Amino acid sequence: GQQVMQIPQYQHVQEGEDFTTYCNSSTTLSNIQWYKQRPGGHPVFLIQLVKSGEVKKQKRLTFQFGEAKKNSSLHITATQTTDVGTYFCAPASGGSYIPTFGRGTSLIVHP
Amino acid sequence: DTEVTQTPKHLVMGMTNKKSLKCEQHMGHRAMYWYKQKAKKPPELMFVYSYEKLSINESVPSRFSPECPNSSLLNLHLHALQPEDSALYLCASSHSGETTDTQYFGPGTRLTVL
Repeated sequence: GQQVMQIPQYQHVQEGEDFTTYCNSSTTLSNIQWYKQRPGGHPVFLIQLVKSGEVKKQKRLTFQFGEAKKNSSLHITATQTTDVGTYFCAPASGGSYIPTFGRGTSLIVHP
Repeated sequence: DTEVTQTPKHLVMGMTNKKSLKCEQHMGHRAMYWYKQKAKKPPELMFVYSYEKLSINESVPSRFSPECPNSSLLNLHLHALQPEDSALYLCASSHSGETTDTQYFGPGTRLTVL
């Protein structure tokens, strides 16, 4: 199966600080998706990256896919309390039918 | 309509009970999934149905039995569960089951096995 490491496992920030989570794979990926799960909620799709070196932005969120397509990151600028939740990467390689979720990074924002 | 619905929201059952979880979507998606999620862990894939046929079974014990009566409905039949099966059970759907599909998740059924 997919070997992927997502770090950090937890991140505490003060409101207004930036946050980054990283997803690193041992194999080349065909694409990677990012999901957010609020406490007590269900995963919600955020973005998909397909191309080498791709960068996509959604307001304060910036998603990057590495040149070698083995790693990805999600960066949030100036966190808000509404950003609280667990962010999962879900990478897929050519041999896997379904993306496998990374272990997630839980973001805690202190007001 | 981009909603996946699941019933019940909560379920408490004994180890000898038989119960079923239900999932429904009306987005015209042809792939549907069951995931199990324990606290502070990522969702773990259990089953995938593609065009109403079971395409993936991730070595799930036989006490979990999936069923896809039609392209909009997905059931998970439970029998003789163990306390360690207590978890959030998530249903998801996607367009056709390709790795580039977006998965739409339902709110989940929180299952407690006594």
